[in-house]
Amino acid sequence: SQTIHQWPATLVQPVGSPLSLECTVEGTSNPNLYWYRQAAGRGLQLLFYSVGIGQISSEVPQNLSASRPQDRQFILSSKKLLLSDSGFYLCAWNRDRKYGYTFGSGTRLTVV
Amino acid sequence: GENVEQHPSTLSVQEGDSAVIKCTYSDSASNYFPWYKQELGKRPQLIIDIRSNVGEKKDQRIAVTLNKTAKHFSLHITETQPEDSAVYFCAASWTNTGNQFYFGTGTSLTVIP
Repeated sequence: SQTIHQWPATLVQPVGSPLSLECTVEGTSNPNLYWYRQAAGRGLQLLFYSVGIGQISSEVPQNLSASRPQDRQFILSSKKLLLSDSGFYLCAWNRDRKYGYTFGSGTRLTVV
Repeated sequence: GENVEQHPSTLSVQEGDSAVIKCTYSDSASNYFPWYKQELGKRPQLIIDIRSNVGEKKDQRIAVTLNKTAKHFSLHITETQPEDSAVYFCAASWTNTGNQFYFGTGTSLTVIP
């Protein structure tokens, strides 16, 4: 069966510091991978998605970036965090748009 | 691009009553519509989905209906229980590029014991 791992679970970072969140999927190959952000009490905002190694599509221009160095690994990064980057970050995967997402357990990021 | 609207944003019902959440979408080419339940502080989880070749789908106390002509779909929860309290998100697949979904803004459902 397929599983998705996301870490860390919580993170408190000062403004201006870098960020690296990692997501990996097991039990499948060539998954579609996604990063979403959820601000407190808000909906799900798509940040990036990837349909293959090295293929990244950005939905929202900002100080975040994503990379997919391996087939089942998706990384969300920032060189300098802003206060507005605080939120709940969710990684997700699916085979294609015929199937719903499976979400990772999320990372709660607080920028102070 | 796709635009998904969801109503209401909050919903309170008495235990045992029914709850209905409605979503509309803009892209007539969308053909897959999942619903997610997110409990406080946890990840969203897929609870039911419907494809455009089906008008209704039911799974125990949960059902989803789809009206392709009107471009709206609804989640129906019958005999609500306190554990149904959560935020529910609808989504629609956008067929033009990539494989991503676009989500509604969520409905916070509270079931009052």
